[in-house]
Amino acid sequence: DIQMTQSPSSLSASVGDRVTITCRASQGIRNDLAWYQQKPGKAPKRLIYAASTLQSGVPSRFSGSGSGTEFTLTISSLQPEDFATYFCLQHNSYPLTFGGGTKVEI
Amino acid sequence: EVQLVESGGGLVQPGGSLRLSCAASGFTFSDHYMDWVRHVPGKGLEWVGRSRNKADGYTTEYAASVKGRFTVSRDHSKNSLYLQMNSLKTEDTAVYYCTRDVPYHPLDWGQGTLVTVSS
Repeated sequence: DIQMTQSPSSLSASVGDRVTITCRASQGIRNDLAWYQQKPGKAPKRLIYAASTLQSGVPSRFSGSGSGTEFTLTISSLQPEDFATYFCLQHNSYPLTFGGGTKVEI
Repeated sequence: EVQLVESGGGLVQPGGSLRLSCAASGFTFSDHYMDWVRHVPGKGLEWVGRSRNKADGYTTEYAASVKGRFTVSRDHSKNSLYLQMNSLKTEDTAVYYCTRDVPYHPLDWGQGTLVTVSS
């Protein structure tokens, strides 16, 4: 199985901050990676797919980069509605595996 | 508008069975891979299983933790996805989500249904 190591597991930030979250794959996954945002009691929402393609309707302050084993989600200027938990997902091979999540708090 | 509505969750004893349903609408059901993903309370997300689309023969894949116990199936007359869960364990306690994949990973998610395995 491909292990997805996500860091940090939590972070404290303020409105307007630049936030960076990293996922590292245990083996190369090309760009078969997506990023999701989840708020308490809600289903996850896809933000980024193919490592760097912004999902339609998602604000441009979200961006993704990386390929192979190292991937990054960046929020350029944190907004109040961005406080949530973020997950990466690799879909290069079975089983699909998620990162452990990053909780972004005030 | 894509809609995925899960049902069938509840409390079940260890060793018991449960069948989850996902009613799909707003898209051509046969065109899409469909997944089940679960969220263990206080922990992360875990992919459970998949039904491929018509073009790929509706074949299935499973996580090792559920293989041999869980079965993913479809009813095309009802545009529904199912997860038959047998020999349930306490560690299967989670919120179970049905997802529509675009193209090969989840885009749309249902609201989830809670399964609690406890004596």
